[in-house]
Amino acid sequence: QKEVEQNSGPLSVPEGAIASLNCTYSDRGSQSFFWYRQYSGKSPELIMFIYSNGDKEDGRFTAQLNKASQYVSLLIRDSQPSDSATYLCAPTGEDSSYKLIFGSGTRLLVRP
Amino acid sequence: GAVVSQHPSRVICKSGTSVKIECRSLDFQATTMFWYRQFPKKSLMLMATSNEGSKATYEQGVEKDKFLINHASLTLSTLTVTSAHPEDSSFYICSAIRLAPEQFFGPGTRLTVL
Repeated sequence: QKEVEQNSGPLSVPEGAIASLNCTYSDRGSQSFFWYRQYSGKSPELIMFIYSNGDKEDGRFTAQLNKASQYVSLLIRDSQPSDSATYLCAPTGEDSSYKLIFGSGTRLLVRP
Repeated sequence: GAVVSQHPSRVICKSGTSVKIECRSLDFQATTMFWYRQFPKKSLMLMATSNEGSKATYEQGVEKDKFLINHASLTLSTLTVTSAHPEDSSFYICSAIRLAPEQFFGPGTRLTVL
């Protein structure tokens, strides 16, 4: 069974700090890795995705991927209270269907 | 970003009735859409993959006769919950692929079955 593991949190960081969110996955065939943010009662919003080993930066966000370790992370620099939400890690499966397998998410709390 | 809409945003119905939820891609054509369900404080669970012009592909454990999916055009997929029961109460969310592999989500439909 394909699994995606995330620490449920909450991860509490002060405003302006770097928040580090981690995710491990079991399907070695996963090709792309997505990070979504979900506010309570709302649907997920796409933050970014990564498919090559290494780092990918987009504004205050940096995704890091290590396929050998089956590990993907998201760094949020200069964290803001508005970043407080649940962050969902979602790899695609190894087939070409682009189906996403969601982790249970990490709740982030940014303290003013 | 891409815009995906859902209608209705919230629906309350009596047990035994059927409810139709629409998912539209507003500024792009989507040959593939997905339907998810999310229970409180749980993660999203994929229900089915909706392909334009063909039958939907359901995930294991999802009753295809209960959750009818129709993807009649490149911008519209519908999910019909037939003979809804209280245990079907959930947050139903659709998503669409504009440019693979980016997947954008609709705002969701909260279904409450009394």
